[in-house]
Amino acid sequence: DILMTQSPSSLSASVGDRVIITCRASQSMSNYLNWYQQKPGKAPKLLIQAASSLQSGVPSRFSGSGSGTDFTLTISSLQPEDFATYHCQQSYRIPLTFGGGTKVQIK
Amino acid sequence: EVQLVESGGGSVQPGGSLRLSCVASGFTFSNYWMSWVRQAPGKGLEWVANIKQDGSEKYNVDSVKGRFTISRDNAKNSLFLQMNGLRVEDTAVYYCAREGPYDFWSGNYDYWGQGTLVTVSS
Repeated sequence: DILMTQSPSSLSASVGDRVIITCRASQSMSNYLNWYQQKPGKAPKLLIQAASSLQSGVPSRFSGSGSGTDFTLTISSLQPEDFATYHCQQSYRIPLTFGGGTKVQIK
Repeated sequence: EVQLVESGGGSVQPGGSLRLSCVASGFTFSNYWMSWVRQAPGKGLEWVANIKQDGSEKYNVDSVKGRFTISRDNAKNSLFLQMNGLRVEDTAVYYCAREGPYDFWSGNYDYWGQGTLVTVSS
């Protein structure tokens, strides 16, 4: 199985901050990496697929990069509605696996 | 508008069974791979199983092999998860999620249901 390791597991940031979340895979998987945002009590929402392709309707302050084993999600200027938990997920091989999540909290 | 609505969750004792359902609307259900993804309380997401458009291919995570069965009824726009031999560690919110309209599984989920809670406890 491909193990996905996210860091940090949580962070505190202020509105307007630049936030970077990393995701590392236990084996190379090209760009088969997706990012989801999840708010408390809600289902996850797909933000980015194929490492860097922004879903329709997702604000451009979100961006993704990486290939192989190392990936990042960047929020260029954190907004109040961005406080949430972010999950990475590999879609390279079954079983599909997720990272442990990164909770972005208000400083 | 795409909608996925799960039902069938509840409380059950270890060793018991439940059948989850997910009714889809707003898209051509028979064109899409579908998945179940779960989330234990306070934990991360875990993929459980997926199924091809015509039901000819199914995959699941090792921890549910031999106990859970995914199926679908395209005439009723419905996805199912039959869960037998339930364990305490199966306690989670179970989400139905849409994959892609491709011949091969895509493994990314652009629409999710609201989830249904399964609690396994004695």
